[in-house]
Amino acid sequence: DGGITQSPKYLFRKEGQNVTLSCEQNLNHDAMYWYRQDPGQGLRLIYYSQIVNDFQKGDIAEGYSVSREKKESFPLTVTSAQKNPTAFYLCASSFGTGPTYEQYFGPGTRLTVT
Amino acid sequence: GENVEQHPSTLSVQEGDSAVIKCTYSDSASNYFPWYKQELGKGPQLIIDIRSNVGEKKDQRIAVTLNKTAKHFSLHITETQPEDSAVYFCAASMPGANSKLTFGKGITLSVRP
Repeated sequence: DGGITQSPKYLFRKEGQNVTLSCEQNLNHDAMYWYRQDPGQGLRLIYYSQIVNDFQKGDIAEGYSVSREKKESFPLTVTSAQKNPTAFYLCASSFGTGPTYEQYFGPGTRLTVT
Repeated sequence: GENVEQHPSTLSVQEGDSAVIKCTYSDSASNYFPWYKQELGKGPQLIIDIRSNVGEKKDQRIAVTLNKTAKHFSLHITETQPEDSAVYFCAASMPGANSKLTFGKGITLSVRP
């Protein structure tokens, strides 16, 4: 059963701690993305990766870091430098970047930092 | 950069009625306009999209229209059903392999039984 897996569904952390969100896909997609969703807001792009070992900053990359060591995996680390980390985080993937390719989204991880 | 506006933020319709959701975009170079549906607790899912070389596209009960002159595009849902209740996002993208989607803020559609 192909798809995108994000774990865990809910994550709680204390302020000042780094936390890593998992994203795995078995769709054989080259491109992967991380978005942040806040109440009443659209999806804002944090980072994206077009191929393994390469990634680019999106619109709101400050306070976040990523790695792309494997095609299937694109973990996102929310660092203590992120001023307002509580949000719903969505991972997506596609065969390529650009408007030719549909983005498929995972179920999301809701992060709460107190 | 591109800016996508989506109004209103909520819409309530009676089951069986039609629903129309409108988005405007700022950059006339944008040429791809997808619509995503997000059900509660889930990730968004593409439901229909349109490219700038066509004015309308239909898929069963849903359709999307594009007005390039006015820079707006709309999602039309006919014969609404309770399962259509969700958050709907519009987005826009410019041409090019490195272009990215710019999303609107989303509209919550409620279909009253």
